[in-house]
Amino acid sequence: NAGVMQNPRHLVRRRGQEARLRCSPMKGHSHVYWYRQLPEEGLKFMVYLQKENIIDESGMPKERFSAEFPKEGPSILRIQQVVRGDSAAYFCASSTGWGANTEAFFGQGTRLTVV
Amino acid sequence: AQSVTQLDSQVPVFEEAPVELRCNYSSSVSVYLFWYVQYPNQGLQLLLKYLSGSTLVKGINGFEAEFNKSQTSFHLRKPSVHISDTAEYFCAVSVIGNAGGTSYGKLTFGQGTILTVHP
Repeated sequence: NAGVMQNPRHLVRRRGQEARLRCSPMKGHSHVYWYRQLPEEGLKFMVYLQKENIIDESGMPKERFSAEFPKEGPSILRIQQVVRGDSAAYFCASSTGWGANTEAFFGQGTRLTVV
Repeated sequence: AQSVTQLDSQVPVFEEAPVELRCNYSSSVSVYLFWYVQYPNQGLQLLLKYLSGSTLVKGINGFEAEFNKSQTSFHLRKPSVHISDTAEYFCAVSVIGNAGGTSYGKLTFGQGTILTVHP
């Protein structure tokens, strides 16, 4: 059973371009979380999705950022018109749910650099 | 809202020495508590978690943590560290929430503690 797969591992974008980050959860996992790690900081929650539904996007910036988790295929975090401040590591985690015997498994992250 | 404070940004220690990484949290409701480890350019790996029951929790790689409700702390300890323990460690909390009838949790992380083990 492969772990949480994120791609690309590294992404370089010029200011104003779009960035698309992909996350394939572990097999059997229908819950996906996205986190952002800015330099020298801990991870910050962005959004929580279940298949085809956004459950909690309280950590998402109001503009330029969007996320989806379609019925088929990976979850996508999309950043439009990137700016230098978007440079960060973006981590995805997946789980079967949440409770005493579940765990959120993290991917290796996508490191976005905006030049 | 919850918050997590890791009191030390960097902890240097010699191999085979004991180590304690400190974590305090603030929350108006009950929380679950976690410690994760991040090796360079890797994702996060769960070390241990406290959900309920015994306040002393044992995790992987010889780590353990003790939940202290009165002091709102969840310090991580290891009696004898190895070079391979060099990594960044994150303390995190979660509150179970409900949205549309679906239970979920999300993690609030501390700023991280870089543990460096010297030979």
